[in-house]
Amino acid sequence: DIQMTQSPSSLSASVGDRVTISCRASQGISNHLAWFQQKPGKAPESLIYAASNLQSGVPSKFSGSASGTEFTLTISSLQPEDFASYYCQQYHDYPLTFGGGTKVEIK
Amino acid sequence: QVQLQESGPGLVKPSETLSLTCTVSGGFISTNSWTWIRQPAGKGLEYIGRIFATGSTNYSPSLKSRVTMSVDTSKSQFSLMLRSVTAADTAMYYCVRETKDDSGYLRVDYWGQGTLVTVSS
Repeated sequence: DIQMTQSPSSLSASVGDRVTISCRASQGISNHLAWFQQKPGKAPESLIYAASNLQSGVPSKFSGSASGTEFTLTISSLQPEDFASYYCQQYHDYPLTFGGGTKVEIK
Repeated sequence: QVQLQESGPGLVKPSETLSLTCTVSGGFISTNSWTWIRQPAGKGLEYIGRIFATGSTNYSPSLKSRVTMSVDTSKSQFSLMLRSVTAADTAMYYCVRETKDDSGYLRVDYWGQGTLVTVSS
């Protein structure tokens, strides 16, 4: 199975901060990487697919990038509604696997 | 707007079979693949498997021996059965739609709201 290592597992940030979350794949997955946001008590929602493509309706403050097996989710200016957990997922090979998640908390 | 709604018992006894159904609205069940993902309380996400409208399936190797998925295109529904459950199967279960990205690979796009299943006697 492809292992997805996400870091950090949690972070504290202030409104307006730029936040980056990393995800590393244990082997090459091309750009077959998605990011999801999950607010407490809610289902996850799709943010980004193919490493850098925004899901329809997702604001442009979210962006994704890739370099080899390293992937990054960036939130350009953190807003109160962005405090949530974020997960990466590779969909390059079966079984599809998720990172362990990053909880973004208010500083 | 595509909507997915899970339904099924919220409580299952150990060693019995968990059965869930997902009803799809606002989209064509025949044009995508359909997936189950679960999440134990306070933990991460686990991919269970997918089914196509043809009935073809892919299951997670860790659950393959206990999982069966089925689809009923006439009702726009797909289902999950997980046999011989234990407390470790207690989780929120999500039904999810997959669609092809530009490279033809299947990616998750729409999620159901989830249904909590507790395994307990």
